Amino acid sequence: DIQMTQSPSSLSASVGDRVTITCRASQSISSYLNWYQQKPGKAPKLLIYAASSLQSGVPSRFSGNGSGTDFTLTISSLQPEDFATYYCQQSYSTPLFTFGPGTKVDIK
Amino acid sequence: EVQLLESGGGLVQPGRSLRLSCAASGFTFDDYAMHWVRQAPGKGLEWVSGISWNSGSIGYADSVKGRFTISRDNAKNSLYLQMNSLRAEDTALYYCAKDTCSSTSCYFDYWGQGTLVTVSS
Repeated sequence: DIQMTQSPSSLSASVGDRVTITCRASQSISSYLNWYQQKPGKAPKLLIYAASSLQSGVPSRFSGNGSGTDFTLTISSLQPEDFATYYCQQSYSTPLFTFGPGTKVDIK
Repeated sequence: EVQLLESGGGLVQPGRSLRLSCAASGFTFDDYAMHWVRQAPGKGLEWVSGISWNSGSIGYADSVKGRFTISRDNAKNSLYLQMNSLRAEDTALYYCAKDTCSSTSCYFDYWGQGTLVTVSS
């Protein structure tokens, strides 16, 4: 089974900061990597699919990069509404999917 | 507008069964694979099970294999999760999610609001 890890598990940042979250797969997953944002009490929201494609309606300050085993999600200038938990997800082994453990972004 | 509405959650004793439903609207249901994802209180997301558009391909997480069964009724635009032999560790908010595939990845573009399952004596 493909395992996903994320780092850091949490981070504190200020509005306007550039934030980067890393996701690593236990084996190569090509570009079969998605990113979700979840706010407390809400369902997850798709941000990035296929490692670097921005979902419709998602602000351009969000970007994704990587292939193989190492991936990043970057928020170029953190906004108040971006404080949330972020999850990566592999879809290489569909119909089996795996989420990373999540990275919580909170206010410094 | 795509809508996914889960139902069927509740309090159930360990070892008992429960059936979750997800009513879909706003899209052509039988064109898409569907999934169940759960989230235990204060924990991360865990993919539980997925089913292809025609039920020809089904997958389960190891944690539920042999106990849970996913199914769908395309005539009723509905997704189901039959959960047997429930355990305390199955306590979670269960989300229904719609799957979409591009040329390079499949992803969950719409989610319901979830239905809470609590397994306790």
